[in-house]
Amino acid sequence: DGGITQSPKYLFRKEGQNVTLSCEQNLNHDAMYWYRQDPGQGLRLIYYSQIVNDFQKGDIAEGYSVSREKKESFPLTVTSAQKNPTAFYLCASKGLWTGEDIQYFGAGTRLSVL
Amino acid sequence: GDSVTQMEGPVTLSEEAFLTINCTYTATGYPSLFWYVQYPGEGLQLLLKATKADDKGSNKGFEATYRKETTSFHLEKGSVQVSDSAVYFCALNNPGGYQKVTFGTGTKLQVIP
Repeated sequence: DGGITQSPKYLFRKEGQNVTLSCEQNLNHDAMYWYRQDPGQGLRLIYYSQIVNDFQKGDIAEGYSVSREKKESFPLTVTSAQKNPTAFYLCASKGLWTGEDIQYFGAGTRLSVL
Repeated sequence: GDSVTQMEGPVTLSEEAFLTINCTYTATGYPSLFWYVQYPGEGLQLLLKATKADDKGSNKGFEATYRKETTSFHLEKGSVQVSDSAVYFCALNNPGGYQKVTFGTGTKLQVIP
């Protein structure tokens, strides 16, 4: 089945630690996105990528980093510079040339600070 | 820039009641409009979409009509069920932008038996 896989489902970070959230898609989509979701605030865009080896900052990129070495993969690193990382993180992808215009989402990773 | 405004929740309804969740938008050009649903602990799923003015999107008894004159895309359902309890997000995709989707803040719906 085609879809987006996020792992792990739950993640705990210690003070000063970097952690990496995985996002893999087998939909052959060009564009991938990372969102952060906090209660009552909806979704905020962290980073997005439209093509391999290229990515752009979203609205809240500080304290985060990404890479796009393969079309299928778009990992997000939450660095120690992100002082309030506790949130639900969602990865999404979209086909840019399909005319479908729909973002597909993974099941999310819930990150907490120990 | 583009923006989406949704009515604040939570919305609490009895089973079989009529549902309306208001959504208005601000965008240049001709965006596509979407409703996504998020069940507890899960990602977002597309519920319905409309790509041009006067289009009606529908799915699982939910409907929304793209109203360009009022810049609105209100979600409706004639008879809600307990299983409809979730958070609903209105969103737009503006092809003139850099392919990012703009989301509303979400409206939590709770349906009680």
